[in-house]
Amino acid sequence: GENVEQHPSTLSVQEGDSAVIKCTYSDSASNYFPWYKQELGKRPQLIIDIRSNVGEKKDQRIAVTLNKTAKHFSLHITETQPEDSAVYFCASDDYKLSFGAGTTVTVRA
Amino acid sequence: DTGVSQNPRHKITKRGQNVTFRCDPISEHNRLYWYRQTLGQGPEFLTYFQNEAQLEKSRLLSDRFSAERPKGSFSTLEIQRTEQGDSAMYLCASSNRDRGNTEAFFGQGTRLTVV
Repeated sequence: GENVEQHPSTLSVQEGDSAVIKCTYSDSASNYFPWYKQELGKRPQLIIDIRSNVGEKKDQRIAVTLNKTAKHFSLHITETQPEDSAVYFCASDDYKLSFGAGTTVTVRA
Repeated sequence: DTGVSQNPRHKITKRGQNVTFRCDPISEHNRLYWYRQTLGQGPEFLTYFQNEAQLEKSRLLSDRFSAERPKGSFSTLEIQRTEQGDSAMYLCASSNRDRGNTEAFFGQGTRLTVV
């Protein structure tokens, strides 16, 4: 089955700086890569996704890049704000959705 | 509310008892997942359905766990003879696979505490 590795497990950044989270996957059949944000006590919610026929996608301060050859993808958050503090999960979808272990992001004011 | 709905939100049970959780997915969604999440971890895959067919069950899941989706709509997850290690948040998610891989929407989860 699919194995998704996510790094780092915790990330502390100064407000206004950038945050980068990296993930690798094992199944070359994976073709859909979503990122979820989970705030304390709430359900995971999709913030951005990318499909295998695209190398990069951007939505305001959030961007995701995908390298299919190397089987890794990354989330970039620019100009971080306190409300970006949460746990972020990457996932890959071959025939089912598999998640990484999560990155706890803390934005220091 | 047209989102994914899970009941109950919280369940406290004594060790050895059976519990059943319910998930109502978004109505047009044909894919339904069950995940388990413990503090500080990502959602751990348990099982998933395409319509009423259960396509895969995690090899890590003991035979005390069973799930059904009898009419391809709502789903139930039953845990028999609960153990303290079963304490976790149980999340349900649904998506529409007709157009390929698409966003999975999560329910609020059922938090199980086994005492």
